[in-house]
Amino acid sequence: DTGVSQDPRHKITKRGQNVTFRCDPISEHNRLYWYRQTLGQGPEFLTYFQNEAQLEKSRLLSDRFSAERPKGSFSTLEIQRTEQGDSAMYLCASGRIGGGYGYTFGSGTRLTVV
Amino acid sequence: GESVGLHLPTLSVQEGDNSIINCAYSNSASDYFIWYKQESGKGPQFIIDIRSNMDKRQGQRVTVLLNKTVKHLSLQIAATQPGDSAVYFCAEQTGANNLFFGTGTRLTVIP
Repeated sequence: DTGVSQDPRHKITKRGQNVTFRCDPISEHNRLYWYRQTLGQGPEFLTYFQNEAQLEKSRLLSDRFSAERPKGSFSTLEIQRTEQGDSAMYLCASGRIGGGYGYTFGSGTRLTVV
Repeated sequence: GESVGLHLPTLSVQEGDNSIINCAYSNSASDYFIWYKQESGKGPQFIIDIRSNMDKRQGQRVTVLLNKTVKHLSLQIAATQPGDSAVYFCAEQTGANNLFFGTGTRLTVIP
């Protein structure tokens, strides 16, 4: 499978717990993006990486959120001290510089904070 | 920041009819536009794109029209099929920056 894969697909956690999601992009893609999507809304940009460098972070990304892409391949998104408002679908996408601007999305991780 | 919106949140069409989904954007500097289809529980799936130097682009059963004068984008789906039922998003991009999405239109195809 050469698509973008995300793990886990679903996560239920208690408020106050930490959670970590993983994204494996398409191997030849050097850009990786994280988006958040709530019900009935379009995806909202959180952050993106070019290779291992995190180049931009949205103001939506509070101090409780951190993303890494240590070797320029897979990425993790961690949410500390989860709140009910963090419940959403977290989408990862990857793209390639010079390969057109559009990206390929994964199927997302659905987070439910109870 | 950019603002991408859709005229209609829901659209119902009979199977076999053509569908038109509209989108308004506000950033005149946006130079690339994409339509995505999202089925329940899945991530957005690329349908078709268009650059700002074009006003029409056709794919298989889909056509995107871009009117830069009124900052309007539309997606036309010919001979709509039940498998076309989904939420459709338009997204805009400036240069190699991030995609900004609208709220989406839910298309329901009636058999």
